[in-house]
Amino acid sequence: NAGVTQTPKFRVLKTGQSMTLLCAQDMNHEYMYWYRQDPGMGLRLIHYSVGEGTTAKGEVPDGYNVSRLKKQNFLLGLESAAPSQTSVYFCASSGLGLAGVEPSGTAKNIQYFGAGTRLSVL
Amino acid sequence: AQSVTQLGSHVSVSEGALVLLRCNYSSSVPPYLFWYVQYPNQGLQLLLKYTSAATLVKGINGFEAEFKKSETSFHLTKPSAHMSDAAEYFCAVSKFGNEKLTFGTGTRLTIIP
Repeated sequence: NAGVTQTPKFRVLKTGQSMTLLCAQDMNHEYMYWYRQDPGMGLRLIHYSVGEGTTAKGEVPDGYNVSRLKKQNFLLGLESAAPSQTSVYFCASSGLGLAGVEPSGTAKNIQYFGAGTRLSVL
Repeated sequence: AQSVTQLGSHVSVSEGALVLLRCNYSSSVPPYLFWYVQYPNQGLQLLLKYTSAATLVKGINGFEAEFKKSETSFHLTKPSAHMSDAAEYFCAVSKFGNEKLTFGTGTRLTIIP
């Protein structure tokens, strides 16, 4: 049971380049999230999804796009990278319901995080 | 809108001493509250959660937190610090248990030998 897997782990881009970060979860979770972590600012929600084929904006969505074509995958895209997007990106997933245990064995009502992607934009 | 405030971006305690990390929340509805820990170069791991059951919540690694509605607080404590507790700790709030989380800015805990 791998949980939440993020690829790549590290990436360096030049300003204006594009890239896609992949998040995959094997817990059959409905909800998936993308956060960015910056020093002194905690984690801020970029976009999230409440199910396959759905996406919604979070707190800091500008400059990013997302897609959830398959339930287990949530992609974060940067069409034209900017130095302000230098950050550590975390993906998370959670199941439906408010209490108890999911069929995957994970607890309901908590988010499970990947190990992060460290992105530098020069 | 919900928010959390973590007082103290850096906290240092001696090994064996009490750990106290402060978190105050703002919420228009009874909140779900969480503490996550992040070890260097790793993702976030859940320490404990409050979901309107018992006000004193016990988590992993000997940590616990008490929900105090009158003080809008959810402080994290551990009676005796261990070197392995050195990490960054985040308090978070959500309106419902599995909705998007709003995080505090984090507290970096250093343990002094």
